[in-house]
Amino acid sequence: GAGVSQTPSNKVTEKGKYVELRCDPISGHTALYWYRQSLGQGPEFLIYFQGTGAADDSGLPNDRFFAVRPEGSVSTLKIQRTERGDSAVYLCASSTSTGGQYFGPGTRLTVT
Amino acid sequence: RKEVEQDPGPFNVPEGATVAFNCTYSNSASQSFFWYRQDCRKEPKLLMSVYSSGNEDGRFTAQLNRASQYISLLIRDSKLSDSATYLCVVNGGNTGKLIFGQGTTLQVKP
Repeated sequence: GAGVSQTPSNKVTEKGKYVELRCDPISGHTALYWYRQSLGQGPEFLIYFQGTGAADDSGLPNDRFFAVRPEGSVSTLKIQRTERGDSAVYLCASSTSTGGQYFGPGTRLTVT
Repeated sequence: RKEVEQDPGPFNVPEGATVAFNCTYSNSASQSFFWYRQDCRKEPKLLMSVYSSGNEDGRFTAQLNRASQYISLLIRDSKLSDSATYLCVVNGGNTGKLIFGQGTTLQVKP
């Protein structure tokens, strides 16, 4: 079956701009996670959704970052006033309530 | 101190060698443990879960020592295709968020 998909695969934006990153989880997966990965590091947790609600947003670095999942399926990660330090690969993962997490291919964000 | 610590390597081994990776974690309340594999510029993929009793999947064996908060992965008879970064991963709470180590890079050479 189809895995987790993420769009765009690459995004280049200028400092100060707004970006949206999209994640389409595996069908039937109720849990959705966002992580970001910098070069040479492991992924770092950002936010977790169970259904439509954000159950844990403790990893969001500041209030420029926001994520939604209005219908309990597709999720959008939104970054306002981007900074060069936001450059990273943004990974989305989904799972059933008890299963392992399956990752999408990621969005490589570059802020110039 | 990082929540999950791994030696980043790289580990350079010949084909057929046995190689072992270790990691330590700081949260004694952690309940679930995993090894993920990540190829260059690709997403992490679940390699195996890790249980206290130890578990084996073909050439791969994972062990967990809760008392020492220590996790290991053993790869026997290394193949060229095993070359990748291996990420030690711990469940970070009852929300299911995962805490990743930095990753250990393995390069298997002919």
